[in-house]
Amino acid sequence: DIQMTQSPSSLSASVGDRVTITCRASQVVYNSLAWFQQKPGKAPKSLIYAASSLQSGVPSKFSGSGSGTNFSLTISSLQPEDFATYYCQQYSSFPHSFGQGTKLEIK
Amino acid sequence: EVQLVQSGTEVKKPGESLRISCEAFGYTFTDYWIAWVRQMPGKGLEWIGVIFPDDSDTRYSPSFRGHVTMSVDKSINTAFLYWSSLEAADSAIFYCARRRSGSFIDFWGQGTLVTVSS
Repeated sequence: DIQMTQSPSSLSASVGDRVTITCRASQVVYNSLAWFQQKPGKAPKSLIYAASSLQSGVPSKFSGSGSGTNFSLTISSLQPEDFATYYCQQYSSFPHSFGQGTKLEIK
Repeated sequence: EVQLVQSGTEVKKPGESLRISCEAFGYTFTDYWIAWVRQMPGKGLEWIGVIFPDDSDTRYSPSFRGHVTMSVDKSINTAFLYWSSLEAADSAIFYCARRRSGSFIDFWGQGTLVTVSS
């Protein structure tokens, strides 16, 4: 199975900041990498697929990059609604494993 | 509008069986896989498996194979997740999600909370 490791596990930032979360796969997953946002008590929301493509309706402040084993999610100009937990997921091979999550908190 | 509507909260005792559901709206049910994901209290997302409604092809995570069963009823555009004998450790929120063939998840259901307690 492919292991997905996110860093950091938690992150404190201020409104207006730009932050980057990284995700590393234990094997090559090509660009088969998605990012999700989850707010407390809510279902996850799909943000990015194919490592860098935005899902419909997702603002351009979210961007993804990477391929192979190293990926990142960048959020620019943080707003209060962006403080949430973010997960990466590889869908290159079964089982489609998730990272452990990165909790983004307000400083 | 694509929607996945899941069944409501369940409270069960250890050893009981349970089937939860995920009804699809707004798209051709048989064209997309349905994924199931577990989230234990205060924890992250865990991939259970996927099922393709057109032919019921399934892929299970080794961690869940043999403990849960995925199925579909195409006539009512609904996917199911079934336990024959629940354990306390099954207490979690379970999400269904739509997965494009060979590809990524795009839409999620609202989740079903399952509590197993004696």
